[in-house]
Amino acid sequence: SAVISQKPSRDICQRGTSLTIQCQVDSQVTMMFWYRQQPGQSLTLIATANQGSEATYESGFVIDKFPISRPNLTFSTLTVSNMSPEDSSIYLCSVDSAVANYGYTFGSGTRLTVV
Amino acid sequence: QQQVKQSPQSLIVQKGGISIINCAYENTAFDYFPWYQQFPGKGPALLIAIRPDVSEKKEGRFTISFNKSAKQFSLHIMDSQPGDSATYFCAASRRDTGRRALTFGSGTRLQVQP
Repeated sequence: SAVISQKPSRDICQRGTSLTIQCQVDSQVTMMFWYRQQPGQSLTLIATANQGSEATYESGFVIDKFPISRPNLTFSTLTVSNMSPEDSSIYLCSVDSAVANYGYTFGSGTRLTVV
Repeated sequence: QQQVKQSPQSLIVQKGGISIINCAYENTAFDYFPWYQQFPGKGPALLIAIRPDVSEKKEGRFTISFNKSAKQFSLHIMDSQPGDSATYFCAASRRDTGRRALTFGSGTRLQVQP
């Protein structure tokens, strides 16, 4: 299955600033997904990122707040903009290897604290 | 997002016992049902997954039971060990037919007591 490197692993940021999270995959994948996991909660899909097209955002998430780039088939970034304490969460990227016996792989996550 | 309902929210099992976690889904178009295990500070890791054309799948101590007519599936952990203490998430997706993103259940925090 694919191996994902996600950076940074954690960060503490001031409110009103922005943080860009990077997701690097060791193989080419069509779809990459970004999730948010609030403390003690489940994973909620933010958006789906396809190479060469605009990301598709879920209800409640907007591009101005969470701009996503997908410059090639192995890399994506998620920016959390104009942060507030409510944005404190774990942000995870995920890929679907699209191979029958392999599932969706997740990065180790970025633990963001906004103060 | 389409819902996947998971229960119980937390579970305490004695070492050697059987842990059972249940999920129910609404969308009959789902065609892929994985279970993920997550330890604190880590991303979710795939445990086992099933397709709707199979009623049961077993991998080691982990078994998925799938009831298509009831739209339910469950995870059974046999001979539960303290190292199994983690949060478990069920999920579903339309992996073959379109919306490939996973929809997750709410999670079950499992504690296996020695």
